[in-house]
Amino acid sequence: EPEVTQTPSHQVTQMGQEVILRCVPISNHLYFYWYRQILGQKVEFLVSFYNNEISEKSEIFDDQFSVERPDGSNFTLKIRSTKLEDSAMYFCASSELAVAYNEQFFGPGTRLTVL
Amino acid sequence: KNEVEQSPQNLTAQEGEFITINCSYSVGISALHWLQQHPGGGIVSLFMLSSGKKKHGRLIATINIQEKHSSLHITASHPRDSAVYICAVLHMDSNYQLIWGAGTKLIIKP
Repeated sequence: EPEVTQTPSHQVTQMGQEVILRCVPISNHLYFYWYRQILGQKVEFLVSFYNNEISEKSEIFDDQFSVERPDGSNFTLKIRSTKLEDSAMYFCASSELAVAYNEQFFGPGTRLTVL
Repeated sequence: KNEVEQSPQNLTAQEGEFITINCSYSVGISALHWLQQHPGGGIVSLFMLSSGKKKHGRLIATINIQEKHSSLHITASHPRDSAVYICAVLHMDSNYQLIWGAGTKLIIKP
């Protein structure tokens, strides 16, 4: 069964460093998403991506964040200069259609620890 | 005020019991999703609803748009159903941005 994959599973970085989180969505899916979940808190929407551009982003997704689909398979989230409060689990998801019409498929997550 | 409220926050039941988890929301929505988060953190989508009722195996989800309320039911519960169940809604002004509830932690004892 096709699945969304994410790498790495755990990333430890120093405050101020850049990190890139990688995701491989399901191959025939057109919509891609990043979410984060700070330990013990709700899942929060970061950004959605369709047709090679950002379709929606939340207030959390400030200038420190960027997303890219550098080739036909990968979807990346870059945090330019990490802060302690960026420590969280980051989930990638993909869907065939927009979430008003379709379920999303989630990756296993990347746990980011900023020291 | 939270736009999505779930109850109860925690639920412990015996194997075989009928389980109900509730979700209330305060905004106009175009869709509601129920998701399951396993202890390891992985998230699985269970249902997407915009009206009525859906059933998948032992899981049933209902939504009442007028009352802004949805329920997730589990029949003949089993210890493997133990997980966090999360309700997330799509605001009617958005195509993509799900607003997530805090989740209901369900433990089913053998």
